[in-house]
Amino acid sequence: DSGVTQTPKHLITATGQRVTLRCSPRSGDLSVYWYQQSLDQGLQFLIQYYNGEERAKGNILERFSAQQFPDLHSELNLSSLELGDSALYFCASSLTSAGMNNEQFFGPGTRLTVL
Amino acid sequence: GQNIDQPTEMTATEGAIVQINCTYQTSGFNGLFWYQQHAGEAPTFLSYNVLDGLEEKGRFSSFLSRSKGYSYLLLKELQMKDSASYLCAVRGPNQGGKLIFGQGTELSVKP
Repeated sequence: DSGVTQTPKHLITATGQRVTLRCSPRSGDLSVYWYQQSLDQGLQFLIQYYNGEERAKGNILERFSAQQFPDLHSELNLSSLELGDSALYFCASSLTSAGMNNEQFFGPGTRLTVL
Repeated sequence: GQNIDQPTEMTATEGAIVQINCTYQTSGFNGLFWYQQHAGEAPTFLSYNVLDGLEEKGRFSSFLSRSKGYSYLLLKELQMKDSASYLCAVRGPNQGGKLIFGQGTELSVKP
């Protein structure tokens, strides 16, 4: 158990819908990262927040948005869902943003299925 | 651009040693990570290299050559539970903690 929690574990929804994935980082970690993992794309970085501020951005679609709240939990919002958005979404957390040996601890993931 | 290459799959025998290679071409470098991932589960951290050389951690070791854009993960005394995907990831400079992952190497350990 990494100490990172994600809810829900599974989510099944229809095309065109909107969903919110939630992540609570390990106690004391200030950085939160979101990754998408699909069978053909591997693990892809979406976005990072550090202490409430956006720190780095990957190839995140405009239909996707995220935020980190004052209590440091984070939410990833996915809207106008398409079949291709079906994937495992991982949240990870780390103590700092990019310090030496800044190990990222991954949560169990949310499996999103868009029908 | 960013490009990280690993073999897609490897097979090894229980008790043996296996080396998983990773080559990278990235715009800047600020550390290389190895993660282990069992199917459907979260990646778990194995090792980190930022300077050239070998880092040893129990049955696992990782090597880095920055001039060659090359790393390997060495697994000794293989156990059946080591069957998993091994992910190489590079962190670039001035990009926060963003990790660029390779596609992963699926390792099967046979008895």
